[in-house]
Amino acid sequence: DGGITQSPKYLFRKEGQNVTLSCEQNLNHDAMYWYRQDPGQGLRLIYYSQIVNDFQKGDIAEGYSVSREKKESFPLTVTSAQKNPTAFYLCASTSAGELFFGEGSRLTVL
Amino acid sequence: DQQVKQNSPSLSVQEGRISILNCDYTNSMFDYFLWYKKYPAEGPTFLISISSIKDKNEDGRFTVFLNKSAKHLSLHIVPSQPGDSAVYFCAASARIGTASKLTFGTGTRLQVTL
Repeated sequence: DGGITQSPKYLFRKEGQNVTLSCEQNLNHDAMYWYRQDPGQGLRLIYYSQIVNDFQKGDIAEGYSVSREKKESFPLTVTSAQKNPTAFYLCASTSAGELFFGEGSRLTVL
Repeated sequence: DQQVKQNSPSLSVQEGRISILNCDYTNSMFDYFLWYKKYPAEGPTFLISISSIKDKNEDGRFTVFLNKSAKHLSLHIVPSQPGDSAVYFCAASARIGTASKLTFGTGTRLQVTL
């Protein structure tokens, strides 16, 4: 089945630690995205990549980093510089404007 | 500044009745609008879209209406079913295909009661 797979689904981290969230897609989409969802807020764009080996900052990129070495994969690293990392993270991909989302990863910082 | 607003955080509708979810936007450059549905702990799924050249788009029980002069769109679900209970996000962009420029609203939680 084609789709977007995010892992892990739940993740706990201590303050000061970096953590990497995985996102893999087998839809052959060129563009991939990372969003963050917080209670009472819409989805906010962290980073996006239109093509392999290229990525752009979204609206809230500070404290995050990404890589796009393969078309299928777009991992997101939440660094210790991110002041409020506890959130629900969503990866998405698209080929024609409509986003297809993964199941999400919930990160909790203890 | 919130460019896409969903002023009702929640809505409760009886099964079989019509659900109307509203969305307002401020950016006159937006010309493509989408609705996404989200269940708890899952990613949003695309529901329906409309471009600014149309004022209505229908897909089964779901209809989206666009009023460009009022910068307002609405999603109608009729008849509402318990499985429709979810959070609905409105999203807008300045051009079809530019998913990187999608701006999302804050969502409306719909509860369909028996």
